[in-house]
Amino acid sequence: DAGVTQSPTHLIKTRGQHVTLRCSPISGHKSVSWYQQVLGQGPQFIFQYYEKEERGRGNFPDRFSARQFPNYSSELNVNALLLGDSALYLCASSLQTSGRIANTGELFFGEGSRLTVL
Amino acid sequence: SQKIEQNSEALNIQEGKTATLTCNYTNYSPAYLQWYRQDPGRGPVFLLLIRENEKEKRKERLKVTFDTTLKQSLFHITASQPADSATYLCALPNQAGTALIFGKGTTLSVSS
Repeated sequence: DAGVTQSPTHLIKTRGQHVTLRCSPISGHKSVSWYQQVLGQGPQFIFQYYEKEERGRGNFPDRFSARQFPNYSSELNVNALLLGDSALYLCASSLQTSGRIANTGELFFGEGSRLTVL
Repeated sequence: SQKIEQNSEALNIQEGKTATLTCNYTNYSPAYLQWYRQDPGRGPVFLLLIRENEKEKRKERLKVTFDTTLKQSLFHITASQPADSATYLCALPNQAGTALIFGKGTTLSVSS
């Protein structure tokens, strides 16, 4: 079975540009979450989508947005890129059946998209 | 807001020894706590989940404890091997239950 897939794996942008990152969850998973991981830190929550609706948002500026499509895949968009946006962006899917993570629920992560902003 | 502290950024041990990693949290007590393994340049991989009413959980050479009074979880790897070298992340749900909050991780190096 295919795991969580993310694209692109690596990309380089310059300040002020925008970027779109894509994620396909494991088949049957309706929840997708996005996390940002800066070097040396743990993943930090950005968004959770369940059944195409935003169910949670972390402490990130409005430059960050996301959406989930009818096939449960998701996009993360970041506008007006700053140097500090350089990070590994992780997508995770789970089997939860509501907007809340079930107490049996592990997150299945993709390998991430490594964004470098110059 | 919830804060997580993992005891040290790096832990070096010899093959065959037991590695013990610590995760402390502040504020509210979570309904469960999870541990993940992350290799360089890869996404985290789930290892174990322990619920608030469970004192201990085991999986092969892994053992996790959860003390809600101390607000602490301990993660043990027995008979450690060089292949266990990785960063181990502790995570627990936010108060809304919509996301996981991760610690910074502890990087374990097992030398042969």
